[in-house]
Amino acid sequence: SQELEQSPQSLIVQEGKNLTINCTSSKTLYGLYWYKQKYGEGLIFLMMLQKGGEEKSHEKITAKLDEKKQQSSLHITASQPSHAGIYLCGAVLLYNAGNMLTFGGGTRLMVKP
Amino acid sequence: ETGVTQSPTHLIKTRGQQVTLRCSSQSGHNTVSWYQQALGQGPQFIFQYYREEENGRGNFPPRFSGLQFPNYSSELNVNALELDDSALYLCASSWTGGLYGYTFGSGTRLTVV
Repeated sequence: SQELEQSPQSLIVQEGKNLTINCTSSKTLYGLYWYKQKYGEGLIFLMMLQKGGEEKSHEKITAKLDEKKQQSSLHITASQPSHAGIYLCGAVLLYNAGNMLTFGGGTRLMVKP
Repeated sequence: ETGVTQSPTHLIKTRGQQVTLRCSSQSGHNTVSWYQQALGQGPQFIFQYYREEENGRGNFPPRFSGLQFPNYSSELNVNALELDDSALYLCASSWTGGLYGYTFGSGTRLTVV
């Protein structure tokens, strides 16, 4: 099994609906990054979380890192077609090893107008 | 402030050939990481360069090698190309090994035939 599991793998929602994507690790997360990727393109940075219990928001997207630092969630409020894409969580899984990000398999989001 | 620039954007090579991919890091960043992303999967860490030295490597064979130059730009070299090397290759730059986040380029799409 992968060290970093994302769920769901794919998601189709109606425009205006809320949704949540989860990222679960088998190890302690020493840094958690959320990125968005359009098909075949580079990664666009969304948010970085480092402290247990931390929560950050940007426009309609909120990310949280749980207290035990082994799970993160990304929540989108009132989804829009522009939110469609692949959401990737990337994590630093080794203490003091900021030189390697382990990624989940991605969540493919489609927003129906 | 310029972002991360990768070249070329697309490349087609024949099995057994060698390829060099290039990356210009974001201004002010001294660390470059390379990732391989196969279709439908999350990126996999290849290696990282800091101050022209490799300081972290993922589970990739020695035919994957790299360089970092004094201006912090980087090259990824792959020898003896195999069909499974077909993927999107992503470069990410950061400051001090990623403590303050990673900026990704748009990637190079390599197809091996």
